[in-house]
Amino acid sequence: AQKITQTQPGMFVQEKEAVTLDCTYDTSDPSYGLFWYKQPSSGEMIFLIYQGSYDQQNATEGRYSLNFQKARKSANLVISASQLGDSAMYFCAMREGNSGNTPLVFGKGTRLSVIA
Amino acid sequence: DTEVTQTPKHLVMGMTNKKSLKCEQHMGHRAMYWYKQKAKKPPELMFVYSYEKLSINESVPSRFSPECPNSSLLNLHLHALQPEDSALYLCASSQEIGGEQYFGPGTRLTVT
Repeated sequence: AQKITQTQPGMFVQEKEAVTLDCTYDTSDPSYGLFWYKQPSSGEMIFLIYQGSYDQQNATEGRYSLNFQKARKSANLVISASQLGDSAMYFCAMREGNSGNTPLVFGKGTRLSVIA
Repeated sequence: DTEVTQTPKHLVMGMTNKKSLKCEQHMGHRAMYWYKQKAKKPPELMFVYSYEKLSINESVPSRFSPECPNSSLLNLHLHALQPEDSALYLCASSQEIGGEQYFGPGTRLTVT
């Protein structure tokens, strides 16, 4: 079974609008971490935001926020006030366990296109 | 300094060549990673080093040989590659395995 599922292969959003990128995850470990990365066409993976499974509040970083719904096992990324530079691939990733020896598992990604 | 550097940015090599990819970080991170990424796919983990020791090898063919000379450097030695090995090779580092990873810009490898 897939650990990380991103159901939207591609998304379009108008400049200055907000957009939500979906991510659901599958784990039986009570301790885990969720990450979002942005990959522009240049190829570099850019870390955006992190949510720990025990964090009480949803993570926010500037225009990025994570809508963490633990019971639903979802960790959607919300980008507010979209900019043309937000056009990129976005990957959701999970680390199972409390750090230690488990690397990240990535979803298949969502390509976001911001329209002027 | 939150930068991971990779050289070269682009590499074209023949199937009989030997080449190396280099990765460097000066953030004091103890975990370093090599990923392979094909177009329109997520990164696939290849190797993980933790405290300069190989911790994870995801059943990567022996024509890829990683090396961690010290805590700041990670190399990937390439020999007798196949055209299907053409991809973007990403290096990353984190404080410990499973932590927030910082990625380098990648090396675009073409095997002819």
